[in-house]
Amino acid sequence: DTGVSQDPRHKITKRGQNVTFRCDPISEHNRLYWYRQTLGQGPEFLTYFQNEAQLEKSRLLSDRFSAERPKGSFSTLEIQRTEQGDSAMYLCASSLDTGSGELFFGEGSRLTVL
Amino acid sequence: ILNVEQSPQSLHVQEGDSTNFTCSFPSSNFYALHWYRWETAKSPEALFVMTLNGDEKKKGRISATLNTKEGYSYLYIKGSQPEDSATYLCAFCEYNFNKFYFGSGTKLNVKP
Repeated sequence: DTGVSQDPRHKITKRGQNVTFRCDPISEHNRLYWYRQTLGQGPEFLTYFQNEAQLEKSRLLSDRFSAERPKGSFSTLEIQRTEQGDSAMYLCASSLDTGSGELFFGEGSRLTVL
Repeated sequence: ILNVEQSPQSLHVQEGDSTNFTCSFPSSNFYALHWYRWETAKSPEALFVMTLNGDEKKKGRISATLNTKEGYSYLYIKGSQPEDSATYLCAFCEYNFNKFYFGSGTKLNVKP
């Protein structure tokens, strides 16, 4: 399977714990996005990378959120000191930076904070 | 944060009915408008990528139109089938082509 993969698919944690999600994009895609989706809402932009450079981060994100994309390949999204409001589906998508810009999504990582 | 609105929020139709949804987006600084289908327990998949005012695209029974001057796009499904049941998302991209703003989606349920 050469699509976008995310791990873990589901994560249940206690408030105050740290969690990390991983995304493996399609190999030739130089753009990688993280989105968050809560019930009844559309995906909300968190951050995006062009190769290894993080070019934009949503002002909605607190300092508890950090993302990396070392060597421009896979990416990790870490949430420190989780809160119940962090419970959501975290979606990763990749694309080329030319042409249509079509996003290819992973199946998401669902986080539940107790 | 740009406002992308979709209507209706949900739709219940019978198999064979035709239906349509609306996506509204800012009419300035337009770069692209995407439609995605998101089935339960799967990842969102692109249906259409639209970039030009007046674009009309078709894939089987599904088609879409684009009006960038007034800031809306319509998605049509002709003769809905149960397998069309999904959430349909539109995503607006500004001229600088760095991120997409999604609507909250239209959840379609097609009853056999």
